Amino acid sequence: GIQVEQSPPDLILQEGANSTLRCNFSDSVNNLQWFHQNPWGQLINLFYIPSGTKQNGRLSATTVATERYSLLYISSSQTTDSGVYFCAAFGAAGNKLTFGGGTRVLVKP
Amino acid sequence: EPEVTQTPSHQVTQMGQEVILRCVPISNHLYFYWYRQILGQKVEFLVSFYNNEISEKSEIFDDQFSVERPDGSNFTLKIRSTKLEDSAMYFCASSERDLSTEAFFGQGTRLTVV
Repeated sequence: GIQVEQSPPDLILQEGANSTLRCNFSDSVNNLQWFHQNPWGQLINLFYIPSGTKQNGRLSATTVATERYSLLYISSSQTTDSGVYFCAAFGAAGNKLTFGGGTRVLVKP
Repeated sequence: EPEVTQTPSHQVTQMGQEVILRCVPISNHLYFYWYRQILGQKVEFLVSFYNNEISEKSEIFDDQFSVERPDGSNFTLKIRSTKLEDSAMYFCASSERDLSTEAFFGQGTRLTVV
């Protein structure tokens, strides 16, 4: 099945800083999603982005399907951005949404 | 905004007991899923369900587990004879069509087996 790798595994930011999280996947995808897991464990949908670029407030995401990666940008980070960010992919030949290992983000005031 | 809801949010059970985790998927969605996340680890696929039958299951989903859609709105995960290693966060998800469409996750049920 598809392999999904995220980097970096951990990220510490000062409030107000910008950052880029990366998700690499091993096969063509029909679905690529980004989630934020908050401190209570909930998985919050951020983006459904099998290709192209989307923006939602301070967050934006880009998926370059032909090169098998997706990027999540956090601008002007806030302490509420802390948590774990997961990407998950559904491969063209697959049958399940496969999660990456996550990037743990800590934004310090 | 429609959402997937799960109950209970937290369940503590004794080893060997049976538990049923409940989910109400988004109403017009046709595909349903269970995932689990052991503390500090990846989110892992358990099973997908469509048209009242299992369409895919992982190696984790053995005879200890079963799923059911008992009525038009609920989707349940039953774990028989729970083990300590079943302690995890269990997520239900649904999608309008297959996983080429966006999947929405519930808030999770934290299962603790003691």
